[in-house]
Amino acid sequence: AQKVTQAQTEISVVEKEDVTLDCVYETRDTTYYLFWYKQPPSGELVFLIRRNSFDEQNEISGRYSWNFQKSTSSFNFTITASQVVDSAVYFCALSGALTGANNLFFGTGTRLTVIP
Amino acid sequence: EAQVTQNPRYLITVTGKKLTVTCSQNMNHEYMSWYRQDPGLGLRQIYYSMNVEVTDKGDVPEGYKVSRKEKRNFPLILESPSPNQTSLYFCASSFVGLGPYNEQFFGPGTRLTVL
Repeated sequence: AQKVTQAQTEISVVEKEDVTLDCVYETRDTTYYLFWYKQPPSGELVFLIRRNSFDEQNEISGRYSWNFQKSTSSFNFTITASQVVDSAVYFCALSGALTGANNLFFGTGTRLTVIP
Repeated sequence: EAQVTQNPRYLITVTGKKLTVTCSQNMNHEYMSWYRQDPGLGLRQIYYSMNVEVTDKGDVPEGYKVSRKEKRNFPLILESPSPNQTSLYFCASSFVGLGPYNEQFFGPGTRLTVL
């Protein structure tokens, strides 16, 4: 079965600090995708990144970066120089061929509060 | 504009009064799905559909029904809502498969309160 664990329920940082959101996953699939979504206070889900299981390269997009390590089944998300607009709930998710390629399994989310 | 729409966006109802939340997409996607979001539990899948007339249960299907008579629509039906179905509901759609460009699109969410 697929499982995603986001152990950090809530994190508070002061603006301009760096922050890392942890995501650990379990799957029996050899081919799978990992995702991060952002849910701002307005409630919609905003897609941030998709990474497939064969691509362990770290990715950077502006102030965001992702560290994918298959050896530890982790897909952590770092925000550099955090801003108030980063305040949101962040979800890590997983999909894989064994459970239907399109079905997403979400973690419980991490609420990030950036204090000005 | 490519989008997934849900209606209504907000609904307050009473126990036992049948309701339908509609979901429609304009991207010709085969796959559609419903999730519910609850505090501390994240998003959990209710039902999904791989194509017209093909539906299957997700992790939390009890108390819900769906139908997929047309490709663009995937309504969620609560025949006898109960307070434990108070939640934020999301509809999603995508093309079938794990392709690298196969992004899943989410609707804006429907906040349902059952009194």
